[in-house]
Amino acid sequence: KAGVTQTPRYLIKTRGQQVTLSCSPISGHRSVSWYQQTPGQGLQFLFEYFSETQRNKGNFPGRFSGRQFSNSRSEMNVSTLELGDSALYLCASSFQREAGDTQYFGPGTRLTVL
Amino acid sequence: AQSVTQLGSHVSVSEGALVLLRCNYSSSVPPYLFWYVQYPNQGLQLLLKYTSAATLVKGINGFEAEFKKSETSFHLTKPSAHMSDAAEYFCAVTRPGDYKLSFGAGTTVTVRA
Repeated sequence: KAGVTQTPRYLIKTRGQQVTLSCSPISGHRSVSWYQQTPGQGLQFLFEYFSETQRNKGNFPGRFSGRQFSNSRSEMNVSTLELGDSALYLCASSFQREAGDTQYFGPGTRLTVL
Repeated sequence: AQSVTQLGSHVSVSEGALVLLRCNYSSSVPPYLFWYVQYPNQGLQLLLKYTSAATLVKGINGFEAEFKKSETSFHLTKPSAHMSDAAEYFCAVTRPGDYKLSFGAGTTVTVRA
C-alpha cells in the first residue's frame, strides 16, 4: 500500500498570503490528523477529520482551517500568513479513530513564510 | 490533561553501545504510549506502541520499551546502536476518548563511530 502523501513538499510564501496544503491518506483510512512542527513549540496537534467532519481541534487561531473530502483526502488552509507560521506541517492517517490506533505520518510540507 | 516528558534533548552514544531514551508520562487514566522516529527531512515513523497488552513492547529495528506504571515511564532501549539510528525520537501519548497524539519535546540521537 502506498503511504500517506503530502503535496507540495516545499512552499515559500510571503506574509499576508494564504496557503493550501494537501494530504492523501493510506487507502482505506478514514481519519486524517494534522500536526505542526516547529523548533520552538515542537509537535502540536492542529485538527482531525473523520468522515468529512472535524472531530477535534487544537489550540490554533481561526486562520487555520481544514476539510476532508468524501475520498478521505484532506486539505488544510492557512490564511493571512505570519512569520510564525513557518513550520513543517505533518499529516497522519489511521483506519479508525480509536486512541490506541497507529497514526501513519506523511513526509510533511515545509512552509516558509518570508 | 496528559503530557509527556522526555529527559535529555540530546543523547550521544558509541556505535555498538546501549541506547536509552527516557520518557515519562502524566495521565489520570491508563494511557496509550508511542515511540516515533524522525529522520532528517522526513515524517514520523512508528517504532512501537503500548496499548495495555504487554508491558514489554518490541518494535522495529531492534528497539523495545517497557511500560512501568509505578514509575509512569515508557523508556526506549536498543542494546547495540548502529550508525543508522542517528535521528530524532519522540515519545507520544493518547488516552481513551482523546484521539490526538501529545508529543514530548524529542531526543536527538547521535551515534559516534
